[in-house]
Amino acid sequence: DADVTQTPRNRITKTGKRIMLECSQTKGHDRMYWYRQDPGLGLRLIYYSFDVKDINKGEISDGYSVSRQAQAKFSLSLESAIPNQTALYFCATSDHGTENRPQHFGDGTRLSIL
Amino acid sequence: KNQVEQSPQSLIILEGKNCTLQCNYTVSPFSNLRWYKQDTGRGPVSLTIMTFSENTKSNGRYTATLDADTKQSSLHITASQLSDSASYICVVPLSYNTDKLIFGTGTRLQVFP
Repeated sequence: DADVTQTPRNRITKTGKRIMLECSQTKGHDRMYWYRQDPGLGLRLIYYSFDVKDINKGEISDGYSVSRQAQAKFSLSLESAIPNQTALYFCATSDHGTENRPQHFGDGTRLSIL
Repeated sequence: KNQVEQSPQSLIILEGKNCTLQCNYTVSPFSNLRWYKQDTGRGPVSLTIMTFSENTKSNGRYTATLDADTKQSSLHITASQLSDSASYICVVPLSYNTDKLIFGTGTRLQVFP
């Protein structure tokens, strides 16, 4: 979905490095989400935000932090990357509540930690 | 335990053929069920959202069915095309009015000419 843009698309880095993944959206949605996708597993929620003043932990928030700099921008940070954080990361947005409304996903960031 | 299970894990069909993908869920209470299509190297894209009262919903060549009594859903693809090659993911919200979704592991469909 071109309305949700993730940067970078690919990143290779070393254990212990700090990494920031960025997400921006032009859909005007209030809610933004960060997920990770691993082979053989369903997407899992890391953090989500209802607006710039509201941040919520998801299922697997340990080792991650987020910042909602503006309604349109939501970044995910790995303070000290470890190899088991190697995964495909997706940002998503939704309009108000999730009830009967789809989430719109970016095309992902493939992160490899050596 | 709240789970969404999909079958088969993978499927190969010839172009022009029909196929049906299955989703079983144990999430309760039930709010709605979603099907997403994920092309290789892309993010998931919503195909349909089905609420408790909907038994069948179509989106072009895609038809989803829902049986809330047996907690099963299916996605039927008619007259498959090469562009249908993708993973199809079944998703159920954890409960009403929540942003927490339970994702299935997906069915990987390959359509060959």
